[in-house]
Amino acid sequence: DTAVSQTPKYLVTQMGNDKSIKCEQNLGHDTMYWYKQDSKKFLKIMFSYNNKELIINETVPNRFSPKSPDKAHLNLHINSLELGDSAVYFCASSLKLLHRPGGVNEQFFGPGTRLTVL
Amino acid sequence: AQSVTQPDIHITVSEGASLELRCNYSYGATPYLFWYVQSPGQGLQLLLKYFSGETLVQGIKGFEAEFKRSQSSFNLRKPSVHWSDAAEYFCAVGAIFGGYNKLIFGAGTRLAVHP
Repeated sequence: DTAVSQTPKYLVTQMGNDKSIKCEQNLGHDTMYWYKQDSKKFLKIMFSYNNKELIINETVPNRFSPKSPDKAHLNLHINSLELGDSAVYFCASSLKLLHRPGGVNEQFFGPGTRLTVL
Repeated sequence: AQSVTQPDIHITVSEGASLELRCNYSYGATPYLFWYVQSPGQGLQLLLKYFSGETLVQGIKGFEAEFKRSQSSFNLRKPSVHWSDAAEYFCAVGAIFGGYNKLIFGAGTRLAVHP
């Protein structure tokens, strides 16, 4: 299946631990994103990578460190987890619009990872 | 600054009734507009998008949306709602940022469908 996949789907951990979430897309896209959805369902972008290069970093604490080993993968590592990090984290991907400069392409989302910090 | 407002947090309709979900945006240039749907426990699925041209756009699952520049709106409509349409609906505007783009989402509207 062509899609954006994330692992794990659920992650329950203790405060202070370090955890990682993995994301992979096989859509041939060159840009990947991490979003955080809080308990009120509000979605906010955290990071964006284009061809393994960080292009958007939206005032996210240093405890969050994305890593892109190649353009099909974007992982999110979180150090010293806090209660407020509990949320659903979505990975997404898209193509940078080379044929329509200044345009915006649709993003394709993964199923989400529900992180619960106890 | 770019922003999206979805005035209705929660809407309940009866199955078979018509539906309209409101979305207002704030963006200085030509907007790229999207509607996504999130079913319980699922990721976001694109329903439809507006880039330019025809202001009434058709999407999947029988949804349509109309872009009205004068009202800065992009409302989502469906003539007859099915029970399976119960979900969270998000409107988003695509913003250009240093040659790249990001989506700015509204707070979402939760749709409940009565049998």
